[in-house]
Amino acid sequence: DAMVIQNPRYQVTQFGKPVTLSCSQTLNHNVMYWYQQKSSQAPKLLFHYYDKDFNNEADTPDNFQSRRPNTSFCFLDIRSPGLGDAAMYLCATSRTGRYNEQFFGPGTRLTVL
Amino acid sequence: KNEVEQSPQNLTAQEGEFITINCSYSVGISALHWLQQHPGGGIVSLFMLSSGKKKHGRLIATINIQEKHSSLHITASHPRDSAVYICAGTMDSNYQLIWGAGTKLIIKP
Repeated sequence: DAMVIQNPRYQVTQFGKPVTLSCSQTLNHNVMYWYQQKSSQAPKLLFHYYDKDFNNEADTPDNFQSRRPNTSFCFLDIRSPGLGDAAMYLCATSRTGRYNEQFFGPGTRLTVL
Repeated sequence: KNEVEQSPQNLTAQEGEFITINCSYSVGISALHWLQQHPGGGIVSLFMLSSGKKKHGRLIATINIQEKHSSLHITASHPRDSAVYICAGTMDSNYQLIWGAGTKLIIKP
């Protein structure tokens, strides 16, 4: 089945220790998104790619970086995680265009000790 | 300002009841998404609507473009329907999602 896969599902890191979350898709969608979701809140868009064109949200901290080496894979790097970065990180994909659904991965739950 | 407002915030019902969750949205939003999130889980897209009505199993979504209002209905509700249901609007300008606050639905057996 075509899908969006995120690894790992659970990640524990130490304060200040860099961490990388990964997302892969078999849908061949050209748009990929990274969201941060904290408890009982709506997901917050961090950045997205149209193909290789990177789009950063204005309020995304510099601590968060992303890479998309090819259509299928996208990575979220947190350079120096703080306690406030503990959250669920969701990857999503879509085709380009106004009326296209976003398909979400299962998420990675990040814990910062 | 682009906004999506959902109601109710919380809804508890008995198994078998007909459920309605409402969503209103502002100018500048051209399509509405309904999504489902189980506790601790990822998000599943249920419907994307720009007009009319869609049905999938026991779920029905409608949208009234003139009134800028959408509803999600669940017929013959079941405890496994318990989840957070979120409506989100696609912005005309950049296709990004504006998220509603979500409705926490609990179906009691």
